[in-house]
Amino acid sequence: EVQLVESGGDLVQPGGSLRVSCAASGFAFSSYWMHWVRQAPGKGLVWVSCINSDGSRTSYADSVKGRFTISRDNAKNTLYVQMNSLRAEDTAVYYCTRWSRGGMDVWGQGTTVSVSS
Amino acid sequence: DVVVTQSPLSLPVTLGQPASISCRSSQGLVSSDGNTYLNWFHQRPGQSPRRLIYAVSNRDSGVPDRFSGSGSGTDFTLTISRVEAEDVGVYYCMEGTHWPYTFGQGTKLEIK
Repeated sequence: EVQLVESGGDLVQPGGSLRVSCAASGFAFSSYWMHWVRQAPGKGLVWVSCINSDGSRTSYADSVKGRFTISRDNAKNTLYVQMNSLRAEDTAVYYCTRWSRGGMDVWGQGTTVSVSS
Repeated sequence: DVVVTQSPLSLPVTLGQPASISCRSSQGLVSSDGNTYLNWFHQRPGQSPRRLIYAVSNRDSGVPDRFSGSGSGTDFTLTISRVEAEDVGVYYCMEGTHWPYTFGQGTKLEIK
Protein backbone atom coordinates (compact mmCIF):
# COMPACT_ATOMS: atom_id res chain seq x y z
CA GLU A 1 0.00 0.00 0.00
CA VAL A 2 1.28 3.43 -0.95
CA GLN A 3 1.52 5.47 2.23
CA LEU A 4 2.91 8.71 3.62
CA VAL A 5 3.04 9.16 7.40
CA GLU A 6 3.99 12.51 8.89
CA SER A 7 5.32 12.99 12.40
CA GLY A 8 6.96 15.63 14.54
CA GLY A 9 4.23 18.22 14.79
CA ASP A 10 4.19 20.05 18.11
CA LEU A 11 3.42 23.25 20.00
CA VAL A 12 6.32 25.67 19.59
CA GLN A 13 6.95 29.19 20.83
CA PRO A 14 7.29 32.03 18.31
CA GLY A 15 10.85 32.17 17.07
CA GLY A 16 11.36 28.50 17.78
CA SER A 17 12.33 25.61 15.52
CA LEU A 18 10.84 22.26 14.61
CA ARG A 19 11.62 19.42 12.22
CA VAL A 20 8.75 17.50 10.71
CA SER A 21 9.26 14.14 9.01
CA CYS A 22 7.36 12.06 6.49
CA ALA A 23 7.94 8.32 6.14
CA ALA A 24 7.10 6.90 2.73
CA SER A 25 6.29 3.30 1.93
CA GLY A 26 4.81 1.19 -0.84
CA PHE A 27 6.47 3.00 -3.75
CA ALA A 28 9.87 3.95 -5.17
CA PHE A 29 10.37 7.05 -3.04
CA SER A 30 13.65 8.00 -4.72
CA SER A 31 11.90 8.36 -8.09
CA TYR A 32 9.46 11.08 -7.11
CA TRP A 33 9.45 14.78 -6.44
CA MET A 34 7.92 15.43 -3.03
CA HIS A 35 6.01 18.46 -1.75
CA TRP A 36 4.80 19.95 1.50
CA VAL A 37 1.36 21.58 1.59
CA ARG A 38 -0.13 23.27 4.66
CA GLN A 39 -3.59 24.19 5.84
CA ALA A 40 -4.18 26.75 8.56
CA PRO A 41 -7.16 26.12 10.85
CA GLY A 42 -10.39 26.60 8.90
CA LYS A 43 -8.51 27.77 5.82
CA GLY A 44 -7.57 26.44 2.40
CA LEU A 45 -4.58 24.56 1.05
CA VAL A 46 -1.27 26.34 0.49
CA TRP A 47 1.79 24.96 -1.29
CA VAL A 48 4.91 25.31 0.88
CA SER A 49 7.91 23.63 -0.68
CA CYS A 50 9.14 20.89 -2.98
CA ILE A 51 12.25 18.83 -3.65
CA ASN A 52 13.31 16.83 -6.66
CA SER A 53 13.92 13.10 -6.62
CA ASP A 54 17.62 13.17 -5.73
CA GLY A 55 17.42 16.19 -3.43
CA SER A 56 19.51 18.49 -5.61
CA ARG A 57 16.74 20.99 -6.36
CA THR A 58 14.36 22.72 -3.95
CA SER A 59 11.77 25.46 -4.13
CA TYR A 60 9.87 27.43 -1.50
CA ALA A 61 6.86 29.68 -1.14
CA ASP A 62 7.85 33.27 -0.45
CA SER A 63 6.18 33.07 2.97
CA VAL A 64 8.69 30.46 4.20
CA LYS A 65 11.77 31.17 2.08
CA GLY A 66 14.85 31.59 4.24
CA ARG A 67 13.16 30.01 7.26
CA PHE A 68 12.19 26.51 6.08
CA THR A 69 14.48 23.88 4.59
CA ILE A 70 13.18 20.82 2.78
CA SER A 71 15.37 17.73 2.52
CA ARG A 72 15.13 14.00 1.96
CA ASP A 73 16.96 10.79 2.78
CA ASN A 74 16.28 8.34 0.00
CA ALA A 75 18.04 5.53 1.89
CA LYS A 76 15.49 5.96 4.67
CA ASN A 77 12.52 6.79 2.39
CA THR A 78 11.94 9.91 4.45
CA LEU A 79 11.12 13.53 3.64
CA TYR A 80 11.82 16.37 6.06
CA VAL A 81 11.11 20.02 6.56
CA GLN A 82 13.17 22.00 9.04
CA MET A 83 11.22 25.03 10.25
CA ASN A 84 13.11 27.89 11.89
CA SER A 85 12.03 31.32 13.16
CA LEU A 86 8.47 30.06 13.44
CA ARG A 87 5.63 32.58 13.46
CA ALA A 88 2.02 32.39 14.57
CA GLU A 89 0.99 32.38 10.90
CA ASP A 90 2.89 29.11 10.39
CA THR A 91 0.28 27.36 12.56
CA ALA A 92 -1.23 24.69 10.31
CA VAL A 93 -1.61 21.05 9.45
CA TYR A 94 1.38 20.12 7.31
CA TYR A 95 0.79 17.51 4.62
CA CYS A 96 3.47 15.49 2.91
CA THR A 97 2.53 14.78 -0.70
CA ARG A 98 3.85 12.86 -3.69
CA TRP A 99 3.98 14.61 -7.05
CA SER A 100 2.78 12.74 -10.11
CA ARG A 101 1.21 13.75 -13.43
CA GLY A 102 1.27 17.42 -12.65
CA GLY A 103 -0.15 17.32 -9.18
CA MET A 104 -0.21 15.72 -5.73
CA ASP A 105 -1.52 12.18 -6.07
CA VAL A 106 -0.76 10.81 -2.59
CA TRP A 107 -1.26 12.69 0.70
CA GLY A 108 -0.30 11.86 4.24
CA GLN A 109 -2.67 12.25 7.16
CA GLY A 110 -0.97 15.50 8.19
CA THR A 111 0.84 16.65 11.30
CA THR A 112 -0.17 19.70 13.33
CA VAL A 113 2.26 22.52 14.02
CA SER A 114 1.07 25.16 16.49
CA VAL A 115 3.08 28.32 17.11
CA SER A 116 2.03 30.11 20.25
CA SER A 117 3.43 31.48 23.48
CA ASP B 1 2.19 34.40 -9.25
CA VAL B 2 -0.82 32.75 -10.87
CA VAL B 3 -4.11 33.52 -9.19
CA VAL B 4 -6.68 30.72 -9.21
CA THR B 5 -10.29 31.68 -8.55
CA GLN B 6 -13.09 29.22 -7.84
CA SER B 7 -16.83 29.79 -7.96
CA PRO B 8 -19.13 29.37 -6.28
CA LEU B 9 -17.57 29.20 -2.81
CA SER B 10 -20.68 27.51 -1.43
CA LEU B 11 -22.73 24.96 -3.34
CA PRO B 12 -25.93 23.50 -1.88
CA VAL B 13 -27.08 20.58 -3.99
CA THR B 14 -30.00 18.14 -3.86
CA LEU B 15 -29.06 14.45 -3.80
CA GLY B 16 -29.10 13.00 -7.30
CA GLN B 17 -28.79 16.37 -8.98
CA PRO B 18 -25.75 17.59 -10.95
CA ALA B 19 -23.22 20.07 -9.64
CA SER B 20 -20.51 22.16 -11.30
CA ILE B 21 -17.59 24.14 -9.95
CA SER B 22 -15.66 26.69 -11.98
CA CYS B 23 -11.93 27.37 -11.72
CA ARG B 24 -10.27 30.28 -13.53
CA SER B 25 -6.56 31.04 -13.64
CA SER B 26 -4.95 34.41 -14.24
CA GLN B 27 -2.55 32.86 -16.75
CA GLY B 28 -2.80 30.05 -19.25
CA LEU B 29 -1.84 26.67 -17.83
CA VAL B 30 -0.28 24.99 -20.84
CA SER B 31 3.14 23.74 -19.79
CA SER B 32 6.30 23.75 -21.88
CA ASP B 33 5.72 20.02 -22.44
CA GLY B 34 2.31 20.71 -23.96
CA ASN B 35 0.28 19.43 -21.04
CA THR B 36 -2.18 21.48 -18.98
CA TYR B 37 -1.66 20.74 -15.31
CA LEU B 38 -4.99 21.52 -13.68
CA ASN B 39 -6.00 19.29 -10.77
CA TRP B 40 -9.13 18.86 -8.68
CA PHE B 41 -9.10 17.67 -5.05
CA HIS B 42 -11.82 16.72 -2.59
CA GLN B 43 -11.44 17.09 1.16
CA ARG B 44 -14.00 15.59 3.50
CA PRO B 45 -14.29 17.08 7.00
CA GLY B 46 -11.42 15.94 9.18
CA GLN B 47 -9.66 14.12 6.34
CA SER B 48 -6.70 14.74 4.06
CA PRO B 49 -7.38 15.94 0.52
CA ARG B 50 -7.74 13.37 -2.24
CA ARG B 51 -7.02 14.06 -5.86
CA LEU B 52 -9.92 13.36 -8.20
CA ILE B 53 -8.75 14.77 -11.53
CA TYR B 54 -5.34 15.49 -13.05
CA ALA B 55 -4.36 17.22 -16.29
CA VAL B 56 -7.82 18.80 -16.66
CA SER B 57 -9.87 15.70 -17.40
CA ASN B 58 -8.17 12.50 -16.22
CA ARG B 59 -9.71 10.67 -13.28
CA ASP B 60 -7.40 9.21 -10.66
CA SER B 61 -7.66 5.51 -9.88
CA GLY B 62 -10.80 4.63 -7.96
CA VAL B 63 -12.59 7.91 -8.63
CA PRO B 64 -16.23 7.33 -9.60
CA ASP B 65 -17.13 8.18 -13.18
CA ARG B 66 -19.77 10.66 -12.02
CA PHE B 67 -16.82 13.06 -11.61
CA SER B 68 -15.52 14.72 -14.76
CA GLY B 69 -13.22 17.60 -15.55
CA SER B 70 -13.16 19.84 -18.59
CA GLY B 71 -11.79 23.12 -19.86
CA SER B 72 -8.79 24.70 -21.48
CA GLY B 73 -6.63 27.80 -21.38
CA THR B 74 -7.72 29.63 -18.24
CA ASP B 75 -11.23 28.25 -17.65
CA PHE B 76 -11.89 24.84 -16.13
CA THR B 77 -14.87 22.99 -14.67
CA LEU B 78 -15.44 20.06 -12.34
CA THR B 79 -18.80 18.39 -12.86
CA ILE B 80 -20.54 15.83 -10.68
CA SER B 81 -23.26 14.21 -12.74
CA ARG B 82 -25.38 13.02 -9.80
CA VAL B 83 -24.41 14.14 -6.31
CA GLU B 84 -24.26 11.48 -3.61
CA ALA B 85 -24.09 11.95 0.15
CA GLU B 86 -20.39 11.04 0.26
CA ASP B 87 -19.57 13.96 -2.04
CA VAL B 88 -19.95 16.56 0.70
CA GLY B 89 -16.86 18.51 1.67
CA VAL B 90 -14.60 21.08 0.06
CA TYR B 91 -13.35 20.93 -3.51
CA TYR B 92 -10.13 22.63 -4.56
CA CYS B 93 -8.62 23.20 -7.97
CA MET B 94 -4.86 23.59 -8.24
CA GLU B 95 -2.57 24.61 -11.05
CA GLY B 96 0.62 22.57 -11.38
CA THR B 97 2.18 24.43 -14.29
CA HIS B 98 3.69 27.59 -12.79
CA TRP B 99 5.79 27.85 -9.60
CA PRO B 100 4.66 28.57 -6.93
CA TYR B 101 1.78 26.17 -7.45
CA THR B 102 -1.53 27.70 -6.45
CA PHE B 103 -4.77 26.33 -5.05
CA GLY B 104 -8.18 27.88 -5.46
CA GLN B 105 -10.01 29.11 -2.35
CA GLY B 106 -12.17 25.99 -2.14
CA THR B 107 -15.85 25.30 -2.81
CA LYS B 108 -17.91 23.84 0.01
CA LEU B 109 -20.50 21.37 -1.28
CA GLU B 110 -23.39 20.56 1.02
CA ILE B 111 -26.60 18.62 0.63
CA LYS B 112 -29.81 20.66 0.66
